[in-house]
Amino acid sequence: EVQLVESGGALIQPGGSLRLSCAASGFTVSSDSMTWVRQTPGKGLEWVSIIYSGGGTYYGDSVKGRFTISRDNSKNTLYLQMNSLRAEDTAVYYCAKTMTGANNWFDSWGQGTLVTVSS
Amino acid sequence: EIVLTQSPATLSLSPGERATLSCRASQSVSSYLGWYQQKPGQAPRLLIYDASNRATGIPARFSGSGSGTDFTLTISTLEPEDFAVYYCQQRLSWPLTFGGGTKVEIK
Repeated sequence: EVQLVESGGALIQPGGSLRLSCAASGFTVSSDSMTWVRQTPGKGLEWVSIIYSGGGTYYGDSVKGRFTISRDNSKNTLYLQMNSLRAEDTAVYYCAKTMTGANNWFDSWGQGTLVTVSS
Repeated sequence: EIVLTQSPATLSLSPGERATLSCRASQSVSSYLGWYQQKPGQAPRLLIYDASNRATGIPARFSGSGSGTDFTLTISTLEPEDFAVYYCQQRLSWPLTFGGGTKVEIK
């Protein structure tokens, strides 16, 4: 059974840095594409970043240059390094796995971790 | 960036009724459109991908149609567990984008 567990969310001051983790089980993170999607409290979904099985990465315009997606195959874990955080980055961050054989459709999700950027 | 506009924002229906949700893209996304369901306090759940394909384990009462810029998610007969928020998503081009959502509520 595929399971994704996010951690690392916290209250952080503007300009600060934070690293989110997403521990995977039931599959290997290196064999599937993985993504981060965020949701502002009470609002809709915003795609943040993706890392493909081959290692290629893409980012949303609002986080490009500030966030970095990566993975540790030995720990079977996905990461999101977030720097220069802004108030508008406040959201629940979900990691998700791409459906096998169909890139960029996300069929397994974690429960989310809350990031609050505030002074 | 491709903007996805969902309508209506809220749909008030009774169990057993038919639900029709719309997603319109600002430019053609071919058939690269999907639908997700999200219940309060839960992560999204993939329902439909590539416009009309049901994801694994999704009941047959959920169906998707459309191509180009206009897409529809139909729930043929609403069950109590179907009352939720539904989002569309496109995967044609970067950045991947989601629609603003349609809330299906109990009338």
